[in-house]
Amino acid sequence: KQEVTQIPAALSVPEGENLVLNCSFTDSAIYNLQWFRQDPGKGLTSLLLIQSSQREQTSGRLNASLDKSSGRSTLYIAASQPGDSATYLCAVRPRQAGTALIFGKGTTLSVSS
Amino acid sequence: DTEVTQTPKHLVMGMTNKKSLKCEQHMGHRAMYWYKQKAKKPPELMFVYSYEKLSINESVPSRFSPECPNSSLLNLHLHALQPEDSALYLCASSQGWTGGNEQFFGPGTRLTVL
Repeated sequence: KQEVTQIPAALSVPEGENLVLNCSFTDSAIYNLQWFRQDPGKGLTSLLLIQSSQREQTSGRLNASLDKSSGRSTLYIAASQPGDSATYLCAVRPRQAGTALIFGKGTTLSVSS
Repeated sequence: DTEVTQTPKHLVMGMTNKKSLKCEQHMGHRAMYWYKQKAKKPPELMFVYSYEKLSINESVPSRFSPECPNSSLLNLHLHALQPEDSALYLCASSQGWTGGNEQFFGPGTRLTVL
C-alpha cells in the first residue's frame, strides 16, 4: 500500500531564507507527483506537477524535483516571503487501478518578517 | 480558466436536515472528485466520477449521496449527518480519471453538523 511521508511537519524560517521541503513515498509505481499549497481553512492550490518521466519542474521561486527510484521529492522555495506561510502537501498518483491521489500529512511553513 | 467553484462556502446543519453541496468546473474536465478533510489532516477521497458515472466510492456511508447531472456539475447530497461529519469538503476535477492528469481543487465547503 502506497504511503507518503513529509518531513518536517512544521518549519519556521526568517524572511529571505531558501528552504527545502521533503516528501517520500514507498512505491515507485506512480504516474506523477503533485505539490499543493493550502492556506488555513481554504482549498488546495496546485503548485507543481511532475510526471514520472520528469526529474524536475520550476515555477517562479519554486522548484520541485523527483527521484522516482528512491521514492523522494523535494520542493525548494527560494528567497522565502511571509506570504509563503501555508501548509504544503505532496501527493502521488499511483499506477494501481482504482486509486486516486495519496497525500502526505503536509509541512506547515511559517515565514517571519 | 482553471477554476473549480464550490457553494456554499459555509454550511451549518442539524442532524435531521437535508442539504446539498455544489461543485462546478468549466475546464472541459471529464473526471470530478469529492474529498473530505478533517482539521490538520490530509484530504481523503470519497467519490470519483468519470464521464458522469461513479467510478469509485471509498466505502462512504449512505448518508452522503453524490450526483453528477452533467459533465460540469457535481453535487453531494447530505442527509442525517453526524457531528463527526463536520469537515472541509473539497471538490476537484481533472481531464481524465486514468493516467497522470493534474487535479485542480475548489475552495471547499466548511460543514458543521450540530
